[in-house]
Amino acid sequence: DTAVSQTPKYLVTQMGNDKSIKCEQNLGHDTMYWYKQDSKKFLKIMFSYNNKELIINETVPNRFSPKSPDKAHLNLHINSLELGDSAVYFCASSQSWGGTNEQFFGPGTRLTVL
Amino acid sequence: GENVEQHPSTLSVQEGDSAVIKCTYSDSASNYFPWYKQELGKRPQLIIDIRSNVGEKKDQRIAVTLNKTAKHFSLHITETQPEDSAVYFCAASGFSGNTGKLIFGQGTTLQVKP
Repeated sequence: DTAVSQTPKYLVTQMGNDKSIKCEQNLGHDTMYWYKQDSKKFLKIMFSYNNKELIINETVPNRFSPKSPDKAHLNLHINSLELGDSAVYFCASSQSWGGTNEQFFGPGTRLTVL
Repeated sequence: GENVEQHPSTLSVQEGDSAVIKCTYSDSASNYFPWYKQELGKRPQLIIDIRSNVGEKKDQRIAVTLNKTAKHFSLHITETQPEDSAVYFCAASGFSGNTGKLIFGQGTTLQVKP
């Protein structure tokens, strides 16, 4: 029973395409996150939702649109993909918001834009 | 803005030796400092954390120390084993507007040679 799951694990696509990544957590947590990990391994927060409400939106291009249909799911849709979007995207969840709780990460989605 | 600096970026030790990774943070309001371990191709996982009301915490071979005055904290791994080889990230709680978040350091790649 996976705590935080993501699909797909790998995503290879052409520049200009639109793609989505899905995330689900079965921990009963209130808060979910999207992180981007670039080729230098740097982990950078993109978005955070608490009980389906967007609470963090770090300077991310408008091409990235998160959606949280319920507090167990947080999806990421990316329009007009660019080469620089190639990275590993991690979903994570925590019991509550505030940055002072353990965050549980999903397995990651490796996005390659050709 | 908030920043977490982590050093060294790479660290190579012989099996059985100790390893120390150091981080400094900029936001004096930070009060939660987790350490995550990321094995190759895997997700980041929490290994130990410390809160600002504690100066040191130990869990078997790993320990973390915190100096709030100097705004730095360190991870100590004793009796290193090859399975300790991974990328280690420090993080500090920070704020995005009024919302708490985790700010990660740049990561340290630890190699333990048998």
